[in-house]
Amino acid sequence: DAGVIQSPRHEVTEMGQEVTLRCKPISGHDYLFWYRQTMMRGLELLIYFNNNVPIDDSGMPEDRFSAKMPNASFSTLKIQPSEPRDSAVYFCASSFTAAEAFFGQGTRLTVV
Amino acid sequence: AQSVTQPDIHITVSEGASLELRCNYSYGATPYLFWYVQSPGQGLQLLLKYFSGDTLVQGIKGFEAEFKRSQSSFNLRKPSVHWSDAAEYFCAVGAIGGNTPLVFGKGTRLSVIA
Repeated sequence: DAGVIQSPRHEVTEMGQEVTLRCKPISGHDYLFWYRQTMMRGLELLIYFNNNVPIDDSGMPEDRFSAKMPNASFSTLKIQPSEPRDSAVYFCASSFTAAEAFFGQGTRLTVV
Repeated sequence: AQSVTQPDIHITVSEGASLELRCNYSYGATPYLFWYVQSPGQGLQLLLKYFSGDTLVQGIKGFEAEFKRSQSSFNLRKPSVHWSDAAEYFCAVGAIGGNTPLVFGKGTRLSVIA
C-alpha cells in the first residue's frame, strides 16, 4: 500500500488567497483525520471523518477553515481566506478505528 | 477524557548510550498506547503500540516500551542509540473501543551526539 498521500508537499501563498490541501487515505480505512502542527501549539486535531461523514470539527480554528470528504478515497482541507498565522504543517491520517492513526507526509503551508 | 504528558521537551544522548523517553497518561481505564517518531520534514511513523496482553511491547528500529498500570506510564526505551534515531518522539493514548481519536503528547526531541 502506498500509505496516506497528501498534496502538495509544500505550498506558499499570499495572504487572502484560497488554499486547498488534498489527502488520499489508505484504502479500506474508515476514519480520516486532519491535524495541524506548529511549534507553539504542537499537534492539533482539526476534524475527523468516519465513513466520509464529519464526526467532530471542534478543532477547526475558524470559519475560514472547511473540510470535505466526497468519497472514501479523497478529502480536502480548504482555507479561505488564508492568513499568515495559518502557516503550519498540515497532516492527514487514516485508520480502521478512531483510536489509531497512519500519517501522511504532510503539507507545509506558508502564508506570506 | 484521556490526556498525555511527556515531561521531557528535549533529551541529548551519546551514540551507543541507552535511551528512555517518559510518557504518563491519564485515563479511567486501560488505554490504548502508542509511540510515534517524526524525522525532520516527515510525517509521524508508528513505532509501537499497546492494546492488551504482554506489557512489554517490541517495536520497529529496536525500540520497546513497557506499560506500567500502577504508574500510568508507557516509557519508550532503546538499549543503544544510533545517530539516525535523532528525531521527535510522540506518545499518544486512545480510548478503549476505539471510538475517539488519539490524544498526543507535546513530544520529546531527541538529539544524538558522537
